[in-house]
Amino acid sequence: GQQVMQIPQYQHVQEGEDFTTYCNSSTTLSNIQWYKQRPGGHPVFLIQLVKSGEVKKQKRLTFQFGEAKKNSSLHITATQTTDVGTYFCAGGGATNKLIFGTGTLLAVQP
Amino acid sequence: NAGVTQTPKFQVLKTGQSMTLQCAQDMNHEYMSWYRQDPGMGLRLIHYSVGAGITDQGEVPNGYNVSRSTTEDFPLRLLSAAPSQTSVYFCASSLNRVHTEAFFGQGTRLTVV
Repeated sequence: GQQVMQIPQYQHVQEGEDFTTYCNSSTTLSNIQWYKQRPGGHPVFLIQLVKSGEVKKQKRLTFQFGEAKKNSSLHITATQTTDVGTYFCAGGGATNKLIFGTGTLLAVQP
Repeated sequence: NAGVTQTPKFQVLKTGQSMTLQCAQDMNHEYMSWYRQDPGMGLRLIHYSVGAGITDQGEVPNGYNVSRSTTEDFPLRLLSAAPSQTSVYFCASSLNRVHTEAFFGQGTRLTVV
């Protein structure tokens, strides 16, 4: 079945440093979504990418969808303490299932 | 607008007990799903539904049952609780299958002793 892996599992940065998390699917995806979960909270939708090679930006966040539609990345420029949380990618494939990655926990030290 | 509502927020069960986790949404979404979240394993799909009367299995369906008699409600039943089912459970809904934003409930923290 479809599997979605994320690396790294955990990242600790100093405030102001950049951060990147990578997402890889075992199968070609129809779309990739990204979610953020604050500690003790629930996942909250950030963005969806649909097209091969697509790049989208939200302020300091940059999202990319690979050319083969099997991988994606989230890059945060100049992290802030408000960026703390777990970032998940989630892939929609040929089935009706939205499969989540394992997540990357970001810790930001002031 | 309440969004996705899950009850209860916390629950402790004894091994072998059964219970139902409730999930309701008021956004008229067709697609609903249940996930469990365990440390280091992300969110794993248990069951999902593309509309009233239609359900299907996700990645980890064993030990769980679901039904979708109405568009609004999607309860998750644990038939005979086991310690391995200790987890945080999230219900989610979206407008149109996997191609639109998923809205999550606040979660249910379940402990099976």
